[in-house]
Amino acid sequence: NAGVTQTPKFQVLKTGQSMTLQCAQDMNHEYMSWYRQDPGMGLRLIHYSVGAGITDQGEVPNGYNVSRSTTEDFPLRLLSAAPSQTSVYFCASSRDAYNEQFFGPGTRLTVL
Amino acid sequence: KNEVEQSPQNLTAQEGEFITINCSYSVGISALHWLQQHPGGGIVSLFMLSSGKKKHGRLIATINIQEKHSSLHITASHPRDSAVYICAVTNTGNQFYFGTGTSLTVIP
Repeated sequence: NAGVTQTPKFQVLKTGQSMTLQCAQDMNHEYMSWYRQDPGMGLRLIHYSVGAGITDQGEVPNGYNVSRSTTEDFPLRLLSAAPSQTSVYFCASSRDAYNEQFFGPGTRLTVL
Repeated sequence: KNEVEQSPQNLTAQEGEFITINCSYSVGISALHWLQQHPGGGIVSLFMLSSGKKKHGRLIATINIQEKHSSLHITASHPRDSAVYICAVTNTGNQFYFGTGTSLTVIP
């Protein structure tokens, strides 16, 4: 099992560019989520999904879109990148919101 | 306003010491999680608790639902325990809230 995979590991964008961060899991988990981690602020939930076709907003959803067309994949789209979106992004999956979370290795994004 | 507060923020211990990290939360929860973030950035789940106490090797996690408080204890600490320990809660609406983490350094 690969667990939770994220691509890319690093990305540099210019303000206004769009991009998609990829997240995939091979554990047949229903719950998937995206977080951003900023210094001094801890992890914050961006969007989450409780199953294919179902997504919902977390604490900091503005500027990000998600979709969940399959159980395995949960991509995060930045519509028009801003310097405030410079952060480390983690994807995670679990059987449900109350069980052990499995985290991907993270994507370090810099927006110039 | 932080839904999850951890203390201390930083902790330095001598090898072999007993360590306690505290977590308090202000929202109704369905579960509480303790995570470990390695110096390289990877995050792993240590415990998921909804009541009582759990033990895994030298790590013990407890939760008091009435007081909205949890503790993570490390017995006989070792330099390889050096990491950031993060407390997180799942509220009753499937959302996660995280503390800012406790950075632990264990000196040989």
